[in-house]
Amino acid sequence: SSDLTQDPAVSVALGQTVRITCQGDSLRSYYATWYQQKPGRAPLLVIYDKNNRPSGIPDRFSGSNSGNTASLTITGAQAEDEADYYCNCRDNNGNHWLFGGGTKLTVL
Amino acid sequence: QVQLQESGPGLVNPSETLSLSCTVSGGSITSDYWSWIRQTPGSGLEWIGYISYSGRTNYHPSLKSRVTISADTSKNQFSLNLNSVTAADTAVYYCARLTIVGATSAFDYWGQGTLVTVSS
Repeated sequence: SSDLTQDPAVSVALGQTVRITCQGDSLRSYYATWYQQKPGRAPLLVIYDKNNRPSGIPDRFSGSNSGNTASLTITGAQAEDEADYYCNCRDNNGNHWLFGGGTKLTVL
Repeated sequence: QVQLQESGPGLVNPSETLSLSCTVSGGSITSDYWSWIRQTPGSGLEWIGYISYSGRTNYHPSLKSRVTISADTSKNQFSLNLNSVTAADTAVYYCARLTIVGATSAFDYWGQGTLVTVSS
């Protein structure tokens, strides 16, 4: 399959740790990237490559990869982290780009 | 800081062609890859395709027969044409820069997005 699968929704208590996962065959060959999207806004890159953050992204965001699963971890979730999170990767042939269906994160 | 700005009609008639442009500032389209991505209402993201720094194009297989992405280096702009549109093409359309380094790639800069509605 060339799809990327994410859980539709996840919740976390304020200040706690949450992991958002993304599964797909192409993740065995290519690193996932992660985007945060808030209502009415464009997606924002938060994690790329193995575990790199663009300038300005808090270090509570981290990424990891194992087999066909990529994970985005938020350690000490804040209220402002409530958003939709999308994973992204190339397809199995490396020629096209896929997005996961997105995970809606609620911070309680 | 690279900035991208989409422009174009917000309403397109069914069966006609959707045309959008993306103006890039703070960077040159003669480097990297320049993509279009869309997001249907209430749904996720879909990569449409890109044009490379050298003018090579690459399209999503499901849209390939209807899509053309072109570039105007004199204006530092790239454009999207999607023909024979239907209501299913109603979406927010984003332009974005795609950076590729080996096995790593990322859409690192995005435009604000523009809503295109297909309706008569």
